[in-house]
Amino acid sequence: DAKTTQPPSMDCAEGRAANLPCNHSTISGNEYVYWYRQIHSQGPQYIIHGLKNNETNEMASLIITEDRKSSTLILPHATLRDTAVYYCIVRVAPANTGNQFYFGTGTSLTVIP
Amino acid sequence: GAVVSQHPSWVICKSGTSVKIECRSLDFQATTMFWYRQFPKQSLMLMATSNEGSKATYEQGVEKDKFLINHASLTLSTLTVTSAHPEDSSFYICSARANTGELFFGEGSRLTVL
Repeated sequence: DAKTTQPPSMDCAEGRAANLPCNHSTISGNEYVYWYRQIHSQGPQYIIHGLKNNETNEMASLIITEDRKSSTLILPHATLRDTAVYYCIVRVAPANTGNQFYFGTGTSLTVIP
Repeated sequence: GAVVSQHPSWVICKSGTSVKIECRSLDFQATTMFWYRQFPKQSLMLMATSNEGSKATYEQGVEKDKFLINHASLTLSTLTVTSAHPEDSSFYICSARANTGELFFGEGSRLTVL
């Protein structure tokens, strides 16, 4: 079962930062926070993941609160191609075998010109 | 990033026939693969976990005799929808787990049963 809650939809102006929140209040100490996105009729695409420190890569930044009960995915300069459904997933440490990914309902982000 | 390929990307079949969907990890070996189903405007629903050389583990409510999964090699898993019916029409997505633990997803296969 999904352990995360996200707003169903958000809009963002092109060129502005998109901040997508995720609540995971029941997260365990060994669970990571993963973010994926799905553009219409395609498979999910990995964005970023983290345990407790903030993370940044070429796609996005992940800010995790100190109590780890929530996180925010930041797309610093949203483009029209960032329009997609964004999924926040919590999952036990990646080295464990057989860990499933359970998807919640995600946030449908629309980037507006 | 690692590449996972699904084939076919879309298929139309008659009710009562069986359809096989392939999932291949192209540049890494995957001991574990996962199969998902997605209905329009809904999230991905995990169907089963496929482990190389052993029987698949199905999620509650998923019929194992309806959705046959075979993971015969470290780079290939197949999902066969047997005796397909219109309600089986869906978007089927596989993912493969790399040694690092990361999951990489295929492009999805859209099944339409007439």
